[in-house]
Amino acid sequence: SQTIHQWPATLVQPVGSPLSLECTVEGTSNPNLYWYRQAAGRGLQLLFYSVGIGQISSEVPQNLSASRPQDRQFILSSKKLLLSDSGFYLCAWRRIRLLQDTEAFFGQGTRLTVV
Amino acid sequence: GENVEQHPSTLSVQEGDSAVIKCTYSDSASNYFPWYKQELGKRPQLIIDIRSNVGEKKDQRIAVTLNKTAKHFSLHITETQPEDSAVYFCAASTVTMDSSYKLIFGSGTRLLVRP
Repeated sequence: SQTIHQWPATLVQPVGSPLSLECTVEGTSNPNLYWYRQAAGRGLQLLFYSVGIGQISSEVPQNLSASRPQDRQFILSSKKLLLSDSGFYLCAWRRIRLLQDTEAFFGQGTRLTVV
Repeated sequence: GENVEQHPSTLSVQEGDSAVIKCTYSDSASNYFPWYKQELGKRPQLIIDIRSNVGEKKDQRIAVTLNKTAKHFSLHITETQPEDSAVYFCAASTVTMDSSYKLIFGSGTRLLVRP
């Protein structure tokens, strides 16, 4: 069966510090991978998505970047955090079968507080 | 870019009553429409989905309808129970020019079922 791991679960970082959140998927190959951010009481904002190794598409210009060094690994980074980067970050994966969309599965999320 | 609008943002119903949440999407090429339920502090989980070749789908107390012409879809929950209280998200999926599949979410509806 497929599983998705995301860590850490919670993180408190000072303004100006770097960030690295990691997400890995097991039990599948060549997944579509996504990073979303959820501000307090808000919706799910798509940040980045990837269809393969080294292929990253950005949705919103911001202080963050993403990388996919391996097929089932997706990393969200920042060189210098801002207060506005605080939120609940969710990694997700989908398997596209025969050009047909399927369900997205989410990781447990990382609650980031920038202080 | 693609946009999904969701209404209402909050919904309070009496236990046993029905709840309806509505979404509209902007990209006519969207062909997959999932609904997710997110309980407090947890990851979103799929509750039902519908594809563009279907007008309605039902799963016990939950149903989803899709009007492709008007570009809107709705979630219907009948005989609501207190455990239905959560945040519900609609989403629309489209294929991008690089053949990846973007999943854009609405802003969410906080449903409260009063006992």
